Amino acid sequence: GAGVSQSPRYKVTKRGQDVALRCDPISGHVSLYWYRQALGQGPEFLTYFNYEAQQDKSGLPNDRFSAERPKGSFSTLEIQRTEQGDSAMYLCASSLVRNRGPSTDTQYFGPGTRLTVL
Amino acid sequence: GNSVTQMEGPVTLSEEAFLTINCTYTATGYPSLFWYVQYPGEGLQLLLKATKADDKGSNKGFEATYRKETTSFHLEKGSVQVSDSAVYFCALTGYSTLTFGKGTMLLVSP
Repeated sequence: GAGVSQSPRYKVTKRGQDVALRCDPISGHVSLYWYRQALGQGPEFLTYFNYEAQQDKSGLPNDRFSAERPKGSFSTLEIQRTEQGDSAMYLCASSLVRNRGPSTDTQYFGPGTRLTVL
Repeated sequence: GNSVTQMEGPVTLSEEAFLTINCTYTATGYPSLFWYVQYPGEGLQLLLKATKADDKGSNKGFEATYRKETTSFHLEKGSVQVSDSAVYFCALTGYSTLTFGKGTMLLVSP
């Protein structure tokens, strides 16, 4: 079946612009996660949802970053007034079971969106 | 807080050599442990996992055993192939999500 998809795959923007990144999880998956991966580093947690409810946003770096999942299906990660330091790969993952913490359910990752801020 | 430490790469091996990539962790409670692999130009793929102490995860000839006493989850493969060249990430579950190591690049030459 279809895996996690993300769009766009590549995004180049100028400093100060707003961007929106989209994630479509595997159909039927309840939990959706966002991570950020700097070059040469491991992914770092940003936020996650169970259905449409944002459960944990402790990893969002500052209030320029926000995410929503309005109907419990796809999610959008928005970055306002982008800065060069926001350049990274943004990864989305989903898992079948509702994340009640601590989670042992497998997370399936999408291909990522490579964001470059000039 | 939770953390994962992996050996730095790149690890360079000849085909059919034995592979070990070390991973140690710090965590509260009883996390699950994972190895993910990232092939060039692709997303992260789950390679194997273990959910409790002494469990062994295995897949595609790779193995790792959850060692609570040494807080380790080392990845091993008896005979690597060129197609195994990738970046390998060790990870653990925290309360709600994954904490990753920095990754170890593996390069296998013919």
